[in-house]
Amino acid sequence: NAGVTQTPKFQVLKTGQSMTLQCAQDMNHNSMYWYRQDPGMGLRLIYYSASEGTTDKGEVPNGYNVSRLNKREFSLRLESAAPSQTSVYFCASSETGGDYNEQFFGPGTRLTVL
Amino acid sequence: AQSVAQPEDQVNVAEGNPLTVKCTYSVSGNPYLFWYVQYPNRGLQFLLKYITGDNLVKGSYGFEAEFNKSQTSFHLKKPSALVSDSALYFCAVRDYGQNFVFGPGTRLSVLP
Repeated sequence: NAGVTQTPKFQVLKTGQSMTLQCAQDMNHNSMYWYRQDPGMGLRLIYYSASEGTTDKGEVPNGYNVSRLNKREFSLRLESAAPSQTSVYFCASSETGGDYNEQFFGPGTRLTVL
Repeated sequence: AQSVAQPEDQVNVAEGNPLTVKCTYSVSGNPYLFWYVQYPNRGLQFLLKYITGDNLVKGSYGFEAEFNKSQTSFHLKKPSALVSDSALYFCAVRDYGQNFVFGPGTRLSVLP
């Protein structure tokens, strides 16, 4: 049981380049999330997906797009990277329904945009 | 809108002493509160949650948290700190939907 996996672990981009961050979970969770973590700001939600086939904007969606490819996979795309997108990106998943369930996090992707 | 405050950027405590990491929240409706821990270069790990019921919630690694509705607080506690508890701690609140709002984090340093 791998939990939540993310690739790549590290990435350096030049301004204007594009890339996709991959996330997969093997816990059969319905909900998946993308966050960015910046010093002193906690985690900020970029996009989330409450179920397969649905996505919604979070607090800081500008400059990002997402795809919920299937129940397991939720990718985050930067179409034209900017230095302000230098951050650590975390994917998370959780179950829905019933009790309010905690999130499970991946190990993160450290992205630097030059 | 939900919000979470962690008033201390840094908490230092000696090994063996009790520790408290503070969290206050603002929500409309019933609060659903969580604590997570982050070790260096790792993702967040769930510690404990308050949904309803007993105000004292017990979680992983000997941590517990006390929910206080009148003070809108959910402080994390441990009776005897370990050096290995040194990490970044996040308080979070979940709304009726699927979203979590995280506090800015508190760095705990346990000194040997």
